[in-house]
Amino acid sequence: GESVGLHLPTLSVQEGDNSIINCAYSNSASDYFIWYKQESGKGPQFIIDIRSNMDKRQGQRVTVLLNKTVKHLSLQIAATQPGDSAVYFCAEKTDSWGKLQFGAGTQVVVTP
Amino acid sequence: DGGITQSPKYLFRKEGQNVTLSCEQNLNHDAMYWYRQDPGQGLRLIYYSQIVNDFQKGDIAEGYSVSREKKESFPLTVTSAQKNPTAFYLCASRVAGAQETQYFGPGTRLLVL
Repeated sequence: GESVGLHLPTLSVQEGDNSIINCAYSNSASDYFIWYKQESGKGPQFIIDIRSNMDKRQGQRVTVLLNKTVKHLSLQIAATQPGDSAVYFCAEKTDSWGKLQFGAGTQVVVTP
Repeated sequence: DGGITQSPKYLFRKEGQNVTLSCEQNLNHDAMYWYRQDPGQGLRLIYYSQIVNDFQKGDIAEGYSVSREKKESFPLTVTSAQKNPTAFYLCASRVAGAQETQYFGPGTRLLVL
């Protein structure tokens, strides 16, 4: 079946640098994508989302880019801080009922 | 204080025992979801409900059951038929319609004795 996947299982970033987390999706019919942050032992926390009619969306210190041509999604975190250390998941909406298909996640480790 | 609550935080199950995980939301959300998360993996959908008294199976519904008698509550029962229940269980909810964002509760960790 079609699925969402991540290129890098672990990303080590120096504090203050920018982080880029990548996600590949295979369902060309998906029209909504979302990024979550999950700290150890906690539920996922919404970061930012984007619809397929957009290429870019910005939030506070975060930017999501969507490239429908190559079915690629990325999350950019500016000036990465120790509190950004977590697992980041991308997900795509796979049907009209709002079902989300999640990728395996990327562990981001921020080093001093 | 609005949000999604899950209880208990930790739950222990004995062999052959059914256990029920609680999920409550006071966000007036229409849709609710249950996911299972295994270590180092993403979330997999167990069951979801778009409206009271209606629910659908997700990708891994075998060994689980749910009910949706009230809008704010969506309990999940892990039955004895679920042979590998040890996991982190997450409940989510969202407003139906154009708003797609699902918001998650803090999770329940289920362990088998």
